Amino acid sequence: GQNIDQPTEMTATEGAIVQINCTYQTSGFNGLFWYQQHAGEAPTFLSYNVLDGLEEKGRFSSFLSRSKGYSYLLLKELQMKDSASYLCAVRGSGGGKLIFGQGTELSVKP
Amino acid sequence: ETGVTQSPTHLIKTRGQQVTLRCSSQSGHNTVSWYQQALGQGPQFIFQYYREEENGRGNFPPRFSGLQFPNYSSELNVNALELDDSALYLCASSLRGDLNIQYFGAGTRLSVL
Repeated sequence: GQNIDQPTEMTATEGAIVQINCTYQTSGFNGLFWYQQHAGEAPTFLSYNVLDGLEEKGRFSSFLSRSKGYSYLLLKELQMKDSASYLCAVRGSGGGKLIFGQGTELSVKP
Repeated sequence: ETGVTQSPTHLIKTRGQQVTLRCSSQSGHNTVSWYQQALGQGPQFIFQYYREEENGRGNFPPRFSGLQFPNYSSELNVNALELDDSALYLCASSLRGDLNIQYFGAGTRLSVL
């Protein structure tokens, strides 16, 4: 089967660092994506990993270990506007369909 | 702003009716994917169209159908609506290739009563 797991909820403090984990078991792997989704809005693309290692983009970084079926999204210098749902998605082989986890609802508090 | 637009934004239907949702792709994109997102859940893949042909389908019944037009815009049709079809329907466009990053529209919120 195909399974993507991420925590349902997380809380962090403004200015702090938070790490959102994602583990996956899928038939085929052709990249892992992180999206941010504010309530009632479209998912917004944050990052893409296809090779092992860390990808850094400003305050956001994403890490992938294909052998462990594991990724994390690291958010630094948290701001109130970072309060949102963070979706981990895997693209399987043979096409572009994305398999999403249920999302992690992040609350940033003052 | 992803350049992907969906219409309508909200829709209310009754059980048994039919609905058509529309999506305009980002300029230059040739692939459209549709997803259903229930409240508090991640999006679930419905199907994908590439150059007007269906290019993969998720675990959805045949009453979910789609079209892609020569300008790469797309429609999602759902027949014989059921209460469980109430969800946010998301369209994503992409350019087929190595990265193939999908960019999402804001979605259509469908309520079936």
